[in-house]
Amino acid sequence: GQNIDQPTEMTATEGAIVQINCTYQTSGFNGLFWYQQHAGEAPTFLSYNVLDGLEEKGRFSSFLSRSKGYSYLLLKELQMKDSASYLCAVMDSNYQLIWGAGTKLIIKP
Amino acid sequence: GAVVSQHPSRVICKSGTSVKIECRSLDFQATTMFWYRQFPKQSLMLMATSNEGSKATYEQGVEKDKFLINHASLTLSTLTVTSAHPEDSSFYICSAKVPSLGVQETQYFGPGTRLLVL
Repeated sequence: GQNIDQPTEMTATEGAIVQINCTYQTSGFNGLFWYQQHAGEAPTFLSYNVLDGLEEKGRFSSFLSRSKGYSYLLLKELQMKDSASYLCAVMDSNYQLIWGAGTKLIIKP
Repeated sequence: GAVVSQHPSRVICKSGTSVKIECRSLDFQATTMFWYRQFPKQSLMLMATSNEGSKATYEQGVEKDKFLINHASLTLSTLTVTSAHPEDSSFYICSAKVPSLGVQETQYFGPGTRLLVL
């Protein structure tokens, strides 16, 4: 079966760095997405990785290792507004998105 | 980025009535749109894939006669929840696939519709 695993909840301090991990087992791979979802709102696109390595975009970076079926989202200089759920999703061989359950990130002052 | 709108944002209805939710791509043409449902503290659950000009593809366990999808144009897809019941109360989110030349086919999401069935 297809499976996406990510931690249910994480807590970090304002100004710090946090890494949210995602491991996956899917039938085929056509890229991995990270989305941010604030409570009561729809997800917003953060990043896309299809090749191994690190993609940096401002305070957010996303890393992929296809051989390990592993990705992480790195958030630097955390701000209170970063409190949200972060969803990992993998596009399988049929170009369907397989969603993780999301990681709720709590930022404390 | 691409903009997807959804209407209404919130709806309360009586049990047994039908509710229509609209999803529009505002600045691009979307041949494919997706309808998701999300219960509190759970991840997105894909309900169906909507293709312009053809019948929607429903995920296993989703009743196509209860959740009617119409993708009549390249910028509009509608989801009608027929004979809604309290267990249909949920957050319904649509997304549209942005056309691109590469493999990446990012989905952009509408703001969601919160349905409460009394």
